[in-house]
Amino acid sequence: GEDVEQSLFLSVREGDSSVINCTYTDSSSTYLYWYKQEPGAGLQLLTYIFSNMDMKQDQRLTVLLNKKDKHLSLRIADTQTGDSAIYFCAETLGAGTALIFGKGTTLSVSS
Amino acid sequence: DGGITQSPKYLFRKEGQNVTLSCEQNLNHDAMYWYRQDPGQGLRLIYYSQIVNDFQKGDIAEGYSVSREKKESFPLTVTSAQKNPTAFYLCASSTQFGGVGKFFGPGTRLTVL
Repeated sequence: GEDVEQSLFLSVREGDSSVINCTYTDSSSTYLYWYKQEPGAGLQLLTYIFSNMDMKQDQRLTVLLNKKDKHLSLRIADTQTGDSAIYFCAETLGAGTALIFGKGTTLSVSS
Repeated sequence: DGGITQSPKYLFRKEGQNVTLSCEQNLNHDAMYWYRQDPGQGLRLIYYSQIVNDFQKGDIAEGYSVSREKKESFPLTVTSAQKNPTAFYLCASSTQFGGVGKFFGPGTRLTVL
């Protein structure tokens, strides 16, 4: 069945790197996404990766995909207090299917 | 500015009353979605619409209803049949169903007293 799992909490110090991990079960996933949710707000699409890619970099964000292990990670370099939020991993199985979300990882950044 | 708006931001209703949550987008997107978010539960899909005048049930449609009479609008009604309606409701849209890059609205927090 379809399932996306994430650890619930991550705490880092300002300036450190954060790595948020996600595992998924369906090998036919086509796109994998990272969304950010600040308190009381909607979800903001941070980045996404197509399933035939291993890595994608976008400024401070690096997404790594290990398709063999069905493991996705989001690395945030030089983490700032403004990065404190809930981060959701999500997958789609292709056109005509809905997003499947993980339960979210709460990132807490201390100064 | 293009985007998705949801109103109101906070909504309070008495138990047993139906309530309608608004979602409007001016992105010219064909597909629209409603998700429910509960603490520690992530997001769960309630209903989605791939095109005007068409909509499908998601994973937790019981106690909810929708309509899609216009491309830009996808209102959600929470009926009295929904056993646990207090939650944060998020609307989203994308160029096509399953398409890359869903855009989310700011959400409506519904509290049933």
